[in-house]
Amino acid sequence: DAGVIQSPRHEVTEMGQEVTLRCKPISGHNSLFWYRQTMMRGLELLIYFNNNVPIDDSGMPEDRFSAKMPNASFSTLKIQPSEPRDSAVYFCASSFKGLAFANTGELFFGEGSRLTVL
Amino acid sequence: GENVEQHPSTLSVQEGDSAVIKCTYSDSASNYFPWYKQELGKGPQLIIDIRSNVGEKKDQRIAVTLNKTAKHFSLHITETQPEDSAVYFCAASGDDMRFGAGTRLTVKP
Repeated sequence: DAGVIQSPRHEVTEMGQEVTLRCKPISGHNSLFWYRQTMMRGLELLIYFNNNVPIDDSGMPEDRFSAKMPNASFSTLKIQPSEPRDSAVYFCASSFKGLAFANTGELFFGEGSRLTVL
Repeated sequence: GENVEQHPSTLSVQEGDSAVIKCTYSDSASNYFPWYKQELGKGPQLIIDIRSNVGEKKDQRIAVTLNKTAKHFSLHITETQPEDSAVYFCAASGDDMRFGAGTRLTVKP
């Protein structure tokens, strides 16, 4: 398996523009997580999905952020409009949860999408 | 929700010495505690994990200990090597997974 695939790897955009980050989880995994990493705040959980359903989006900073998972093999994180403080590395991770969605097992991370908003 | 604290934020050791990183968590329902290593420009990768029904686990030079009563767990790396230099994250998991702030480990040759 190729692992978790994220695109783009790097994105530079101007304030006010829409940004869409994409993620393809590992085939067979049923949980998907979006994290944001900054020097100041470390790895913050933004949102996670179980079986394509958003479970907890309390980490999403504000209404400018939205995430979707239309099927088991694809997820997007959208920022509209983007602001300079959104500059960070955004990671997608996937895992397999057993029956009854017991605790999360090993997370497999993508290589991240480095976003710079000017 | 879960809150994970990690110390120290930076750690510098001489090659061959041991390194210890400590974490505490707040949610007594958490029952899975992984440790991740992140190298520059890459995503975090799992190096070892421990579940709540076990107090200690070892894998070659790496060991983890867990004290559920005190809600703390630790990573021990023995005989450190320069390639161990990286940022290490602890995490605690129930339904989701929350990470500590990270420890930047530098192993000096």
